[in-house]
Amino acid sequence: AQKVTQAQTEISVVEKEDVTLDCVYETRDTTYYLFWYKQPPSGELVFLIRRNSFDEQNEISGRYSWNFQKSTSSFNFTITASQVVDSAVYFCALSEPLGANNLFFGTGTRLTVIP
Amino acid sequence: NAGVTQTPKFRVLKTGQSMTLLCAQDMNHEYMYWYRQDPGMGLRLIHYSVGEGTTAKGEVPDGYNVSRLKKQNFLLGLESAAPSQTSVYFCASSENRGQSYNEQFFGPGTRLTVL
Repeated sequence: AQKVTQAQTEISVVEKEDVTLDCVYETRDTTYYLFWYKQPPSGELVFLIRRNSFDEQNEISGRYSWNFQKSTSSFNFTITASQVVDSAVYFCALSEPLGANNLFFGTGTRLTVIP
Repeated sequence: NAGVTQTPKFRVLKTGQSMTLLCAQDMNHEYMYWYRQDPGMGLRLIHYSVGEGTTAKGEVPDGYNVSRLKKQNFLLGLESAAPSQTSVYFCASSENRGQSYNEQFFGPGTRLTVL
């Protein structure tokens, strides 16, 4: 069965610090997809990134970067030079490879960036 | 292009009352989903649909029913509300492009309180 663990419930950093959000997953499938979503205080869920199980290349998008390591079943998310606007709850999610692409979410990490 | 919309945004019910949450998407997506979000538990899938006229159970379907009579709409019903159904409900939709996975687009959420 699919499972996603985000062990960090809450993190606080001072603005401009770097921060890494951890995500560990469990699946028996060889093909799967991993996601990160952001939920700002306004409540909506914003898609950040998708990664498939065959692509372990790290990805960078501006101040955001993601490190995918199949050997440790981890898909960690780093924000460089954090800003107050980064304050949000971040969810990591794992999909089923077939069928309706259902997502299994972690419990989320609340990030607070202090000015 | 409104994306995914949900009606209503807020609702307070008494135990035993019934109600229907409406989700609408204008992206011509095949797949639609209903999730609930509870503190400390992330998002959990209630029901989903892979196309007009089809529905299927997710992780936590008990106490809910759904219908997908039109491709653009996905309704979530509570026949006899219980305090345990107090939650924030999110609707989502995604494309179906064969083997490649597509991200889910989320609505703004409905905050439901059952007294």
